[in-house]
Amino acid sequence: QSVLTQPPSVSAAPGQRVTISCSGNSSNVGNNYVSWYQQLPGTVPKLLIYDNNKRPSGIPDRFSGSKSGTSATLGISGLQTGDEADYYCGTWDTRLSAWVFGGGTDLTVL
Amino acid sequence: EVQLVESGGGLVKPGGSLTLSCAASGFTFSTYSMNWIRQVPGKGLEWVSLISRSSNYIYYVDSVKGRCTISRDNAKNSLYLQMTSLRADDTAVYYCARVAEMDGAYMDVWGKGTTVTVSS
Repeated sequence: QSVLTQPPSVSAAPGQRVTISCSGNSSNVGNNYVSWYQQLPGTVPKLLIYDNNKRPSGIPDRFSGSKSGTSATLGISGLQTGDEADYYCGTWDTRLSAWVFGGGTDLTVL
Repeated sequence: EVQLVESGGGLVKPGGSLTLSCAASGFTFSTYSMNWIRQVPGKGLEWVSLISRSSNYIYYVDSVKGRCTISRDNAKNSLYLQMTSLRADDTAVYYCARVAEMDGAYMDVWGKGTTVTVSS
């Protein structure tokens, strides 16, 4: 059972927009910055979003992040088949003194 | 090129020990905190341990406390994870990851991982 809750899977058609939620509490998402990681099949996790809504250089603006209260959201617009991957949210948990990840969301582009 | 390369994984019997290493290059290692993260094939990411730049702050996930020791040698640009009393549920790919900090902390560089298999 992960500390951060993500939907196990989401799906949408090419060109559509999808959102992935990440729910926590006041000791993690509510009071710390959230980052998102993309793991394409058979590859290493890659930083997608940091500080809730910032994109590292090289990440297209089709990817966006937001946070409200104890929930964070990753948005992906203009879906492409190459976006099929597992997506993880993560943040520091002040009460646990531990980094916590969501359980991951498997994105399928139909 | 910024790079992290893990090594030291392998097959070990339950109760055995193993030390993982992570060699850093292409950046000033001593100015970054570092994490170990593991992933059971087909499962999600699990954070294992964090060590601060000067080793002043060290944290572990509850499941490895008392069995694992994280350390670093800034002169050798290297990160380590000593694992003892290994159990079957420690079987995973172990990644080292650099912790970057802007407003918050996040992992911006990941190694390719080293596989630990605990089995008799």
